[in-house]
Formats: sequence, C-alpha cells, structure tokens
Amino acid sequence: AQTVTQSQPEMSVQEAETVTLSCTYDTSESDYYLFWYKQPPSRQMILVIRQEAYKQQNATENRFSVNFQKAAKSFSLKISDSQLGDAAMYFCAYGRGNSGGSNYKLTFGKGTLLTVNP
Amino acid sequence: GAVVSQHPSRVICKSGTSVKIECRSLDFQATTMFWYRQFPKKSLMLMATSNEGSKATYEQGVEKDKFLINHASLTLSTLTVTSAHPEDSSFYICSARDRAVRYEQYFGPGTRLTVT
Repeated sequence: AQTVTQSQPEMSVQEAETVTLSCTYDTSESDYYLFWYKQPPSRQMILVIRQEAYKQQNATENRFSVNFQKAAKSFSLKISDSQLGDAAMYFCAYGRGNSGGSNYKLTFGKGTLLTVNP
Repeated sequence: GAVVSQHPSRVICKSGTSVKIECRSLDFQATTMFWYRQFPKKSLMLMATSNEGSKATYEQGVEKDKFLINHASLTLSTLTVTSAHPEDSSFYICSARDRAVRYEQYFGPGTRLTVT
C-alpha cells in the first residue's frame, strides 16, 4: 500500500521569507502523480501544485515550487516570498496513474500546519 | 474552472435519524466521486469511491450499511449517514474526478455534520 509521510506537524515562517515543507512517499508503482493541497481555515481543499512522476522537471506555480526526487521518493514544497494568506494546513498527496484501470484514489499525508508571522 | 458543490454546508441532526449529503459537479462530468471524512486537525480519510451507475467501493473499516452512497448521474453523488450517532459527527468532504482529466480531483467545500 502506498504511504505518504509528512514529518513536520507544524512550521512557521516570517512574511516574505522562504519555507520548505517535506514529504516522502512509498510506492512500487512507476506511473503516479504527486500533489500539494492547501486547506485554509475555510477547510476548502485547494490544489497548490502537482507533479507527474514521469516528468523530470520540477513543477512550479508562481511562488510555489517542488523538489521532486524520484529515486529518494521525496517531494518537498518550497514557498517563496511567504504571504499571510499562505497560512494554512498543507497536505501532500499521492495518486496512482492509469495502471490497470485504477480509481485514481488519493493517499494523503497527515499535513503540516504553516504559520506565517508578520 | 471545475466546481464541486456540497449541500448542506452544515447540518445538525438528532441521534438515530438519517441525513443525506449531496455532492455535485457543476461544470463537468464526473465518472468518479470520492467521499472523505476529516476529524479536527487531522488528515482526510477516504471512505469510499463512488462510480456512476455502479456500486460504491468502500475502504476497509467503513460500514457500507451505515454510509450509503449513490451515484445516479454523472454530476451527482449522495452520501446518506443512516441512524446517525454522535460519533458520526465530523467534516465530510467529497471530490470529483473529471473524466477528461485523468489525474485531477476537484474538492467540494465540505459538510459539517453534528449529531446530538
């Protein structure tokens, strides 16, 4: 079974600084996707960034970027120029690709609560 | 963008009654919908996968007779909590997969269920 581990229950960062959230996963699959979701106090899940396992290039979305190390099964999220609105719970998630008609279930880590200090 | 709605956003019911939660994909067709449960300050726990026109697939430990799932159309799935008890109080979130985008799931805003 796939597992996703987020080893940092809480992190804090000063506004305008950079912070990196860690995520490791375990899988025997070769075709999969990795995601970072943000859950603010409203509890609406918001997709921050996704990475296809077959792509070597790290995904970036504005101030958000990932460091995808496939061999090490590591998928960290870097938030640059942190803003107060970035404060939220961040979940790393693993999703299988289209192998044998899977249901594309997502497996979530336990989350990292990010606080942004003004 | 793809939008998923849930109704109601909050519901309070008495112990022993049943409550239905709706999940709708508003601007896309969802062949698969997922139901999650989330306890305070915890992660999302997948309860079941709902496929349009077929029976839902439940995760281990989830009582299928207690959490009835129906996915009658490509835009609607419902979760019915039967004979609710206070321990069923939780935040329930649905997500829907756009059949045109294989890896993407779009999440609803969630439903807070309180059983008194």
